[in-house]
Amino acid sequence: AQSVAQPEDQVNVAEGNPLTVKCTYSVSGNPYLFWYVQYPNRGLQFLLKYITGDNLVKGSYGFEAEFNKSQTSFHLKKPSALVSDSALYFCAVRVGGSSNTGKLIFGQGTTLQVKP
Amino acid sequence: DAGVIQSPRHEVTEMGQEVTLRCKPISGHDYLFWYRQTMMRGLELLIYFNNNVPIDDSGMPEDRFSAKMPNASFSTLKIQPSEPRDSAVYFCASSLRGWGNYGYTFGSGTRLTVV
Repeated sequence: AQSVAQPEDQVNVAEGNPLTVKCTYSVSGNPYLFWYVQYPNRGLQFLLKYITGDNLVKGSYGFEAEFNKSQTSFHLKKPSALVSDSALYFCAVRVGGSSNTGKLIFGQGTTLQVKP
Repeated sequence: DAGVIQSPRHEVTEMGQEVTLRCKPISGHDYLFWYRQTMMRGLELLIYFNNNVPIDDSGMPEDRFSAKMPNASFSTLKIQPSEPRDSAVYFCASSLRGWGNYGYTFGSGTRLTVV
């Protein structure tokens, strides 16, 4: 079955430290992978995506993600965390359809808590 | 652009009542998605449309749920009759092209409470 997993319910880091939010996936064919962020009482916001090309993808707010095909992972990273990065983060993968169709399925989400 | 607009923001209704959630996608977007978010089940795709046509409704929980998109600028998700287990936050999202070549844009959601 095609799926995406976020093994950590919560990640705690100190401000200024690097952060990693983990994501693994299982899909047939080439994966199209995404990260979204959700602030309290708001909808999800697109951060970045991997389709093809460079395994290191850069996105909004200084976030980046590394695609690792052998480990079927797409971990979200940031070199220096900010308190304002505290939010709920979702990894997503496209399933089904052709190059311009299909749908996204989301992981369960990881709460990132950045302490001052 | 005002983004994806959902209404109402909050809805409290009694079990058995009909509930209608509304969504206005971003102008020019050709895909529209309805998601439901709960603590237990996370974010679930209920149904999505392409050019106003339903493409995949396999996530719709049961016949009590129905969705329509009469034109490119409006969609509704209806629950009739509502039950307490339908309590959740319902999100609408739209995108240009299917899986979000430019990313999905989500609305702020409708928090539904069925008592």
